[in-house]
Amino acid sequence: AQTVTQSQPEMSVQEAETVTLSCTYDTSESDYYLFWYKQPPSRQMILVIRQEAYKQQNATENRFSVNFQKAAKSFSLKISDSQLGDAAMYFCAYRFTSGTYKYIFGTGTRLKVLA
Amino acid sequence: DAGVTQSPTHLIKTRGQQVTLRCSPKSGHDTVSWYQQALGQGPQFIFQYYEEEERQRGNFPDRFSGHQFPNYSSELNVNALLLGDSALYLCASSLGSLGGYTFGSGTRLTVV
Repeated sequence: AQTVTQSQPEMSVQEAETVTLSCTYDTSESDYYLFWYKQPPSRQMILVIRQEAYKQQNATENRFSVNFQKAAKSFSLKISDSQLGDAAMYFCAYRFTSGTYKYIFGTGTRLKVLA
Repeated sequence: DAGVTQSPTHLIKTRGQQVTLRCSPKSGHDTVSWYQQALGQGPQFIFQYYEEEERQRGNFPDRFSGHQFPNYSSELNVNALLLGDSALYLCASSLGSLGGYTFGSGTRLTVV
């Protein structure tokens, strides 16, 4: 069965610094999607970045980028120039490309940004 | 552009009671998925509705049921509430079963 593991329950970063959140997953599929979602106190899950497994190039979205290591089944999120508004829970998620519609989420990492 | 709307935002129920949660999808979306997020955990898939039918179900008992209406809005019903049903219930809408999700802000259910 597919699983997603986030081994860092909590991380802290100084404002303007860089932080990396870790995520590993287990799957026997060769094609799938990976996501990072942000959940602020408002509770709404907001898509940060998405990676398609067949693409070797790492996805980037402004200050957010991923390090996708398919063979190692690792999908880390790097946040550059951290801002106070980045403070939130971050969830890594996996989704099949077909056959089943559910997302599988990790347990989350709470990111604190220190002024 | 209306996003996903969930109601109510908070709810307190007593063990054994029944509850109905509601979700209006984002404009243009036709599929609704429901997730349960227990405290300190990631969301867990309950089920997905498309064309007014349950397309897929996660590992949840039959006490959890749902419905989708012709306007694509959806309800999640939970019968015989248990203390362990206390959680944040998230609704996500998409265009098609494999479309990208837009999440609502959830309903916080507390069972006492």
